[in-house]
Amino acid sequence: DAGVTQSPTHLIKTRGQQVTLRCSPKSGHDTVSWYQQALGQGPQFIFQYYEEEERQRGNFPDRFSGHQFPNYSSELNVNALLLGDSALYLCASSFRTLRSLHFGNGTRLTVT
Amino acid sequence: QKEVEQDPGPLSVPEGAIVSLNCTYSNSAFQYFMWYRQYSRKGPELLMYTYSSGNKEDGRFTAQVDKSSKYISLFIRDSQPSDSATYLCAMSATRPDSWGKLQFGAGTQVVVTP
Repeated sequence: DAGVTQSPTHLIKTRGQQVTLRCSPKSGHDTVSWYQQALGQGPQFIFQYYEEEERQRGNFPDRFSGHQFPNYSSELNVNALLLGDSALYLCASSFRTLRSLHFGNGTRLTVT
Repeated sequence: QKEVEQDPGPLSVPEGAIVSLNCTYSNSAFQYFMWYRQYSRKGPELLMYTYSSGNKEDGRFTAQVDKSSKYISLFIRDSQPSDSATYLCAMSATRPDSWGKLQFGAGTQVVVTP
């Protein structure tokens, strides 16, 4: 049973560029949440998708956007990259209930 | 002031010792409390989940929540070198606008030496 899978594992982008990160939830899960984890910090909630709609959003600018597809997979898009966007981006899936949050191993984004 | 405070460590203990971790928080609306373990270059893995106040035990792990003091703890008994990781506390409120949104501490790095 595959867990949460994220791609790519590593990514290097230049300031001002755009990036798309992808996530496939654990089998049976229908809700996807995205978190940003800066070095030495805990994950910070970006947003959550359920039934192809953004349900909750954290304190992130509109440069961060997402999408959920009918098969429950999800994308995180970041426009106009800043150096401060360098971080580990984590995807977590669940079956609606909060307590069953399963994380992927993340995509490490480096902005130069 | 951050909503969730957690000492970043590192916390170094000898094998077999009890590891004691804790977090404090300021938001009295938090009702769900979790502990995650994160190995280097991996995603967080849920260890313990507690709703409201009280204690919960699972094998070598014990989680405690004291809502009156806004203080949560995780104890690891008979620690092993494989327990070396970063431990993250996380919590959430039950209000509809908090649904699915976890607030994490910064994580405490634990090193268990053989």
